This record gives sequence, structure tokens and C-alpha cells, in this order.
Amino acid sequence: GNSVTQMEGPVTLSEEAFLTINCTYTATGYPSLFWYVQYPGEGLQLLLKATKADDKGSNKGFEATYRKETTSFHLEKGSVQVSDSAVYFCALSAFNDYKLSFGAGTTVTVRA
Amino acid sequence: EAQVTQNPRYLITVTGKKLTVTCSQNMNHEYMSWYRQDPGLGLRQIYYSMNVEVTDKGDVPEGYKVSRKEKRNFPLILESPSPNQTSLYFCASSFPQTGELFFGEGSRLTVL
Repeated sequence: GNSVTQMEGPVTLSEEAFLTINCTYTATGYPSLFWYVQYPGEGLQLLLKATKADDKGSNKGFEATYRKETTSFHLEKGSVQVSDSAVYFCALSAFNDYKLSFGAGTTVTVRA
Repeated sequence: EAQVTQNPRYLITVTGKKLTVTCSQNMNHEYMSWYRQDPGLGLRQIYYSMNVEVTDKGDVPEGYKVSRKEKRNFPLILESPSPNQTSLYFCASSFPQTGELFFGEGSRLTVL
């Protein structure tokens, strides 16, 4: 079946540090890949997505590239801010499937 | 404003006392879904609905019921809640096959 594995947290960083959160997936066919972010006390919201191999999704300074050869979709940001403190979820949607399969989430805390 | 609204946001109840968590969306989405979020387990899908009168089980449906009588509403029913249903619940909706789920703010349920 389809599944997503993302690095365990929590991750604690200083402001302006580089952030990377690893995500790998298992799926048949050609899934779409997503990163969702959950800020404290809120629901999840879509951060970025990529729908085919080698696509790069980007938003709010975050980037992730769909790597089919390594079945990965790692999230990166070059310089984090305190406001980036949140839980980040990697997710996939198989082709022609409504369902999203989520990873366990990675809690990121950025200190001033 | 486009949104998914859940009620109640917080609820403490006792074992066996039936409760309903309501979910309403104003974006005319066909697809709606319920998730529960537990530490270390990420989001797990409980039930989903592809359209009015069409519902199906997700990964963890035991102890829950849903209905979809109108397009905008998708209530989650716990007929006889138990302590293992203590969790944070999210309702989400989307257009078909986009993968971009819109989430409510969550309902934190405690069953004593």
C-alpha cells in the first residue's frame, strides 16, 4: 500500500539556520506529493506540492523536489524564522485516488 | 471566506454518552473526510465521502459513524465513546483529485 515516512522530531533550530526534513514514500504508479504545515492551535494547511517527477514545489521560502529515483520529497528552507515553528507533514495521493496518506509529522521549533 | 467549520472545538465527555461533531464547508467541495491526530501516529483517516449519500471507511473506522445528507455537512458520530477515542479530530474537504485538502481547526475530544 501507499505510505510515507518522514524524519522523527522534534527538531530545534536557531533563527536563520538551514532546515531540512526528510520524507520518503512507497507507492504504486505516480503519486502526487505534498507538504502540509500545522501551526500551533490550527488545522493543517497546504504548504507546497509536486505532481510529477522532478517537479519542485515552493512556497514561503520552502522548497521540495519530487525525486522518483530515490522516492523522496525532502523539505528545505534556507533561513528559518521563529514564525516557522510548526508541525510539518509529508503526504501523498496516489493517481486517481482521493485519499491522502500522511507521515507522522515533524515538530520544528525555531528559537530567536 | 472559504472555510471548514467544526463544532465543538473542545469537549469532555464520559464513556458511553453519544456525541456528534459537526463539520460544514462553504466551498462546494464534493470530497469530505474525517481524521484523527494522535502523538507519534500522524493523521489517520476515519471516514470519507466522495459526494452526497456516498461514504466509505478509512483506516480507523471502528467506533465511528458518519452521514452525508447534504453536500456541505459531514457530521462524525460517536455512538458509545470510549477512552481510546480521546484525540484531536479534523474535518477536511476538497475538490476531487486535487490533493489539496482544506482543514477545519480541529475538535479536541476527551472521553473519561
